[in-house]
Amino acid sequence: KNEVEQSPQNLTAQEGEFITINCSYSVGISALHWLQQHPGGGIVSLFMLSSGKKKHGRLIATINIQEKHSSLHITASHPRDSAVYICAVRSQGGSEKLVFGKGTKLTVNP
Amino acid sequence: GAVVSQHPSWVICKSGTSVKIECRSLDFQATTMFWYRQFPKQSLMLMATSNEGSKATYEQGVEKDKFLINHASLTLSTLTVTSAHPEDSSFYICSASRQAYSPLHFGNGTRLTVT
Repeated sequence: KNEVEQSPQNLTAQEGEFITINCSYSVGISALHWLQQHPGGGIVSLFMLSSGKKKHGRLIATINIQEKHSSLHITASHPRDSAVYICAVRSQGGSEKLVFGKGTKLTVNP
Repeated sequence: GAVVSQHPSWVICKSGTSVKIECRSLDFQATTMFWYRQFPKQSLMLMATSNEGSKATYEQGVEKDKFLINHASLTLSTLTVTSAHPEDSSFYICSASRQAYSPLHFGNGTRLTVT
């Protein structure tokens, strides 16, 4: 079993829909990252969080440390949001290393 | 914002040759950089942690003599794939952060094809 599990693996939505991507992890963490990988491969860091909730534009990330679960929400989705969204965790213990989920491929149709 | 530049973005080489990939932090100094590999439809996998002025730390299963990492300055880390084989064909990407435990900035990646 992977340390970081994401769901769904694939998600297709219509423009304007509210999107939720889930991430569960099995280890104690010091931080969780949400990343966006575009078709060409480039990766952008969306959020780094260790508790609570963060919001940036139409994106919202939440984390529940007790339940070892995080969600990434996209409001008013747009075709340009189409990408692979990756959850990654940094384990407790001082290491900066990340363990990655397999990603969720999001396609937003116009 | 912070930018990490990776070069080349793609490379095709013949089996047995070596390929060098550069990762530069353009507007900050990075004592630590990370190198990852991603096979098609797979998740990113950390290969090694590049430490400025000292030896890289390799993950289990990554051959340090095959994947040479040099972090000679605070803004540049290089990954050299030596004696490349077709199974080394993959997407290689680096990351760095302004300081420890802060958000990561990724290069755009290098797609390596070994023929």
